[in-house]
Amino acid sequence: GAVVSQHPSRVICKSGTSVKIECRSLDFQATTMFWYRQFPKQSLMLMATSNEGSKATYEQGVEKDKFLINHASLTLSTLTVTSAHPEDSSFYICSARATGGNEKLFFGSGTQLSVL
Amino acid sequence: AQTVTQSQPEMSVQEAETVTLSCTYDTSESDYYLFWYKQPPSRQMILVIRQEAYKQQNATENRFSVNFQKAAKSFSLKISDSQLGDAAMYFCAYRISYSGGGADGLTFGKGTHLIIQP
Repeated sequence: GAVVSQHPSRVICKSGTSVKIECRSLDFQATTMFWYRQFPKQSLMLMATSNEGSKATYEQGVEKDKFLINHASLTLSTLTVTSAHPEDSSFYICSARATGGNEKLFFGSGTQLSVL
Repeated sequence: AQTVTQSQPEMSVQEAETVTLSCTYDTSESDYYLFWYKQPPSRQMILVIRQEAYKQQNATENRFSVNFQKAAKSFSLKISDSQLGDAAMYFCAYRISYSGGGADGLTFGKGTHLIIQP
């Protein structure tokens, strides 16, 4: 089955530093990738939609300058949390949709970000 | 905007029994997809079942089945013969049909924590 690799799985950083999270589709090409955030005991909230070769579309209330998304190839999207603060601590999950526009989405295993 | 509501924060069921998780949604679209995802403690999102809105027939996957009522905008999940491995958070999710623009991520409900009593 299709696999989406997300890493790191866990990262601890100091306040003010930047952290990059990678999301790779290993055995398929993903024209669209999605980034979600999940706070403890809460649901997943869509942050942004990333289309290969174009700017990401951010959901209302998500700061695009703080959460930089790059989707430079059909198999890789990155989320960079810039100048991270403790309130950015959360579980971040990516998902990818295969080229062709079918409805199947594949999720990464998530990244737990802890900002000290 | 689309919304998904799961009114049961937690459900408990005896092993081997049947449990139904409820989900309602609100949308003005006519063509969309509905999903149930399972999130175990590992937090890996696992697709349980998917329903296309244009299909009247309820989707089934082994012990999992849905009751899709389009007019009522209801999409409940029935788990038969509950097993200990079914214990997890269950999220109901909605997505419009592929629009070509790429701006069609999933909208999730708040989730139901399912406990299986041995």
